[in-house]
Amino acid sequence: DAKTTQPNSMESNEEEPVHLPCNHSTISGTDYIHWYRQLPSQGPEYVIHGLTSNVNNRMASLAIAEDRKSSTLILHRATLRDAAVYYCIENAGGTSYGKLTFGQGTILTVHP
Amino acid sequence: DSGVTQTPKHLITATGQRVTLRCSPRSGDLSVYWYQQSLDQGLQFLIHYYNGEERAKGNILERFSAQQFPDLHSELNLSSLELGDSALYFCASSVEGVIGNEQFFGPGTRLTVL
Repeated sequence: DAKTTQPNSMESNEEEPVHLPCNHSTISGTDYIHWYRQLPSQGPEYVIHGLTSNVNNRMASLAIAEDRKSSTLILHRATLRDAAVYYCIENAGGTSYGKLTFGQGTILTVHP
Repeated sequence: DSGVTQTPKHLITATGQRVTLRCSPRSGDLSVYWYQQSLDQGLQFLIHYYNGEERAKGNILERFSAQQFPDLHSELNLSSLELGDSALYFCASSVEGVIGNEQFFGPGTRLTVL
């Protein structure tokens, strides 16, 4: 299964930007990079995904390196509600279809 | 609210028993995925169904089985339960079973095997 590497934990203050890094050095050319987050006592929640170019949506931005071996999820202004486990996932193709292979993720703590 | 519903929310049973977990996908979604989340293994993909057909299997035990019905709801059957099967079981749905599509997760069913 495709593997990503993320820091175990990160901390931020409320209202400040947060940059969550992810390494995916073995990613293949057709694999998407997905980010999901899991708030306490809830199911995972989609955040954003991309293939090659940077992506923005109402929740976050995704910056993908030119060689696609790494990416950064950017929360522009962290709120207390953003405290969660963030998962960076390579969405593999072929017979795997849309299955998501979750790693350990990054635990984000947001301080008031 | 993701639009995916799972029942029951909690389930407590004994070793050796059999249980059925139910999932209703979002309206219009043809794909259903099942995941297991335990403390030691994290979130693991179990199985994927698309419009009633099995599409992919992950680390699903032979004691576990699933199906997707014509109305697109899905059931995950767990039999000969062991203590180690205690976990959160999530169902997710998406429009199509293809790369890049967002998956919407339900609130999960917490299974406790005593």
